Amino acid sequence: EEQLVQSGAEVKKPGDSLRISCKGSGYIFSTYWINWVRQMPGKGLEWMGRIDPSDSYTIYSPSFQGHVTISADTSISTAYLQWSSLKASDTAMYYCARQIRDSGGYYVNWFDLWGQGTLVTVSS
Amino acid sequence: QSALTQPASVSGSPGQSITISCTGTSSDVGGYKYVSWYQQHPGKAPKLMIYDVSYRPSGVSNRFSGSKSGNTASLTISGLQAEDEADYYCTSYTVSSTYVFGTGTKVTVL
Repeated sequence: EEQLVQSGAEVKKPGDSLRISCKGSGYIFSTYWINWVRQMPGKGLEWMGRIDPSDSYTIYSPSFQGHVTISADTSISTAYLQWSSLKASDTAMYYCARQIRDSGGYYVNWFDLWGQGTLVTVSS
Repeated sequence: QSALTQPASVSGSPGQSITISCTGTSSDVGGYKYVSWYQQHPGKAPKLMIYDVSYRPSGVSNRFSGSKSGNTASLTISGLQAEDEADYYCTSYTVSSTYVFGTGTKVTVL
């Protein structure tokens, strides 16, 4: 079964650093992109950025550029989302989502497989 | 990059049809045939319902359909059922090679 399994909930203080993870299984992890999506409490979905695990090429939403870092380690089929200095406003649920290729080898423009989400709470 | 505009809420009785709109610009919705729709039940991860404006993934009911005209995409749910009560989000590819989600619509089955 193909799945994305995310790391558990985190409670941090403002200024802390944090890295959350998204582990793929049931497919060849390096062949598909991984996206990260934020959902603040009671709010909508926001696309943060994505990574090509095969070469670590990343692209970020302008809203998140410089605030987070997306990375991946294909040897353990895992993508990461990290912060160097958390703020209270980073409190949210974070989802990873897969973006596959079509039969012609081109990346599709939808997210077919999602992780279960990681809740990050930042509070003093 | 502004979120795509969706109505905050839409409601309907069982068996009725409802339509959710998703309005963007020529730099996203209007410029590409890359609009997708996601269903999210409370406390759950989103689920893909429609991709590339009007295509249904395997396993998604044919009661769900999508369309687009100009800068506005639409999701129609026909034969509304209690299980359809959820939040729905559109998303579009953009001219910047990024993606933007809609503001989200809460569907209530009366």
